[in-house]
Amino acid sequence: AQSVTQLGSHVSVSEGALVLLRCNYSSSVPPYLFWYVQYPNQGLQLLLKYTSAATLVKGINGFEAEFKKSETSFHLTKPSAHMSDAAEYFCAVTDSGGYQKVTFGTGTKLQVIP
Amino acid sequence: DTAVSQTPKYLVTQMGNDKSIKCEQNLGHDTMYWYKQDSKKFLKIMFSYNNKELIINETVPNRFSPKSPDKAHLNLHINSLELGDSAVYFCASSPPRTGERPDTQYFGPGTRLTVL
Repeated sequence: AQSVTQLGSHVSVSEGALVLLRCNYSSSVPPYLFWYVQYPNQGLQLLLKYTSAATLVKGINGFEAEFKKSETSFHLTKPSAHMSDAAEYFCAVTDSGGYQKVTFGTGTKLQVIP
Repeated sequence: DTAVSQTPKYLVTQMGNDKSIKCEQNLGHDTMYWYKQDSKKFLKIMFSYNNKELIINETVPNRFSPKSPDKAHLNLHINSLELGDSAVYFCASSPPRTGERPDTQYFGPGTRLTVL
């Protein structure tokens, strides 16, 4: 069974500061990993995904994540937070077998302080 | 140019009622999903259909019955609604897989179900 653990249900950063949202995965097969963002009262939107190509993945809105197999991590970062980044962020994992069953983490709510 | 749409956006109903939520995607995708997001934002897959065929059926009460009349539509019918069914239900779709690599899931805006 595969799973992801997001450390910190709430993260607060100042506008302009580094954003770091943590995600660790557990998978018995090579994983495929995603970060999704959910703005208030909206559905989820893909930020970026890792599919075994480059380990450093760049996504939309200036976000990026690095796949580290030795640490089983896929942390999300952004050099400088904007007020518009305030949202809920979900890490997710799936595998290459069968159909695309995606398992989501419990989410991290990002607050950006002006 | 809505990609994945759901109706209704809000649904308030009494315990014991039967209700349906509809989902449509105009992306030409083959696979559609239903997710339940609880009050703590935990998102869990319920069902998935590929070309109108049920392929994922998680441990969900049989009061929940998905129906896919065609590959662009996936509806969710819920019988005998209970208080614990209150949640936000998201529909999603994804394109056919190319090789082993999974592809992005595109989510609808959600349906907030409140059972009184």
